[in-house]
Amino acid sequence: ETAVFQTPNYHVTQVGNEVSFNCKQTLGHDTMYWYKQDSKKLLKIMFSYNNKQLIVNETVPRRFSPQSSDKAHLNLRIKSVEPEDSAVYLCASSQGGGATNTLYFGAGTRLSVL
Amino acid sequence: GDKVKQSPSALSLQEGTNSALRCNFSIAATTVQWFLQNPRGSLMNLFYLVPGTKENGRLKSAFDSKESYSTLHIRDAQLEDSGTYFCAAGSSNTNKVVFGTGTRLQVLP
Repeated sequence: ETAVFQTPNYHVTQVGNEVSFNCKQTLGHDTMYWYKQDSKKLLKIMFSYNNKQLIVNETVPRRFSPQSSDKAHLNLRIKSVEPEDSAVYLCASSQGGGATNTLYFGAGTRLSVL
Repeated sequence: GDKVKQSPSALSLQEGTNSALRCNFSIAATTVQWFLQNPRGSLMNLFYLVPGTKENGRLKSAFDSKESYSTLHIRDAQLEDSGTYFCAAGSSNTNKVVFGTGTRLQVLP
């Protein structure tokens, strides 16, 4: 049963373009996340966000920024994509922190940068 | 180095057989989650554990926080069990979750 929805499923773009990925959760959770999964399938946290606090992984380049209109939505914008941004971006949510609550993931957005 | 290491990295099983996947932590984990990523890319949560064991159908998981490891046992493997299994160690002290390196499982007919 899907409760974390991501769009688009795939996106192909060229170096230097701006892209934006959407994520919505219908679980009523208060915390949302963006993860990056590289070609070796390693999952790394990029951002976690609830209505009080944005936590940024310090390794994330500044061209990445999360955007939230309410606690059910957390979008991801990349201002000027680079080849190393090619990856699968996974959105997740939890009720409270992910270390003490179950994480629910969306199906992912696969980005290819040409 | 890897703070959460999974073994084996890849595994092939005949349908109907059993197997165990392992996750070793070099961080102080208070919770563990196990996920299955199917070939389409969706990550499905299998278990959320505090120290102890849980069972769900053909799957059983154990988490030993003192010895810093967790296991996932698959009984009577089915074709639909194929995919990549991830464990994720959580620390309630730091509120951080660290994912393991994954085990790619292929169940053969």
